[in-house]
Amino acid sequence: QKEVEQDPGPLSVPEGAIVSLNCTYSNSAFQYFMWYRQYSRKGPELLMYTYSSGNKEDGRFTAQVDKSSKYISLFIRDSQPSDSATYLCAMSPPHNDYKLSFGAGTTVTVRA
Amino acid sequence: DSGVTQTPKHLITATGQRVTLRCSPRSGDLSVYWYQQSLDQGLQFLIQYYNGEERAKGNILERFSAQQFPDLHSELNLSSLELGDSALYFCASSPRTADTQYFGPGTRLTVL
Repeated sequence: QKEVEQDPGPLSVPEGAIVSLNCTYSNSAFQYFMWYRQYSRKGPELLMYTYSSGNKEDGRFTAQVDKSSKYISLFIRDSQPSDSATYLCAMSPPHNDYKLSFGAGTTVTVRA
Repeated sequence: DSGVTQTPKHLITATGQRVTLRCSPRSGDLSVYWYQQSLDQGLQFLIQYYNGEERAKGNILERFSAQQFPDLHSELNLSSLELGDSALYFCASSPRTADTQYFGPGTRLTVL
C-alpha cells in the first residue's frame, strides 16, 4: 500500500463547476499538507499549504485536512479552463528531514 | 517563475552513459531537493542537501549521486544509465529544512 493514495482521474468538468480532489494517507505522523498544481511539462507549483487539521481558503481554492480520517481535500470553485492541470497532494512529518511524500496526482480538465 | 533554475531542459543520451544535471536554488534558499518523476512511479524524492551537507535520502539508486557546492547550487550525477532512468528530474529549494518547497522547471532525460 502506498503511503499517500490519490485517484489519478482523469476528471473532466464544465467551466464554472466545483472541482473536488482528495488524498488519503497512512502515516499518522504527517502534519504538513500541501497541494501543488503541475501544468504539462512544467514543474509543480505550490498552491496551498496547511498545518495539521482544519480548513484554509485562498481565493477560489479551499484546502481541508481531517487528520482523524487521514484525509485531505482541495476544492476549486468557479473552475476555469486555466485550472486544467494535474493536482498533486503532498505531505510530511514535523522533522528536520523534510521529505515530501506525494500522491500520484489527479489530472483535471475544465471544459469551456 | 519559482526562481529555481535547472539546466539543461532536455538531455538525450545512450544506455551506459553518465550525465550531470544542474540546479540553482532561489536566492537565499539553503536547502535543495532532487526528485524523479516518471509515468509509472509519480514524483519520488531522491535526496536533500542543506547548506552543502546531505540531510536526507530517499529512493536514490547507488548509480546516482549529488552534491551541493559552496555557492549553494547543486548537481545530480546519473551514471551507468538505463532505459528506466528516462524521466523528468526536478530540483526544489526552500529557505531551511522545514519549509515549503519551490520547484524548478525540470530536466527531461531520455535514455535510448
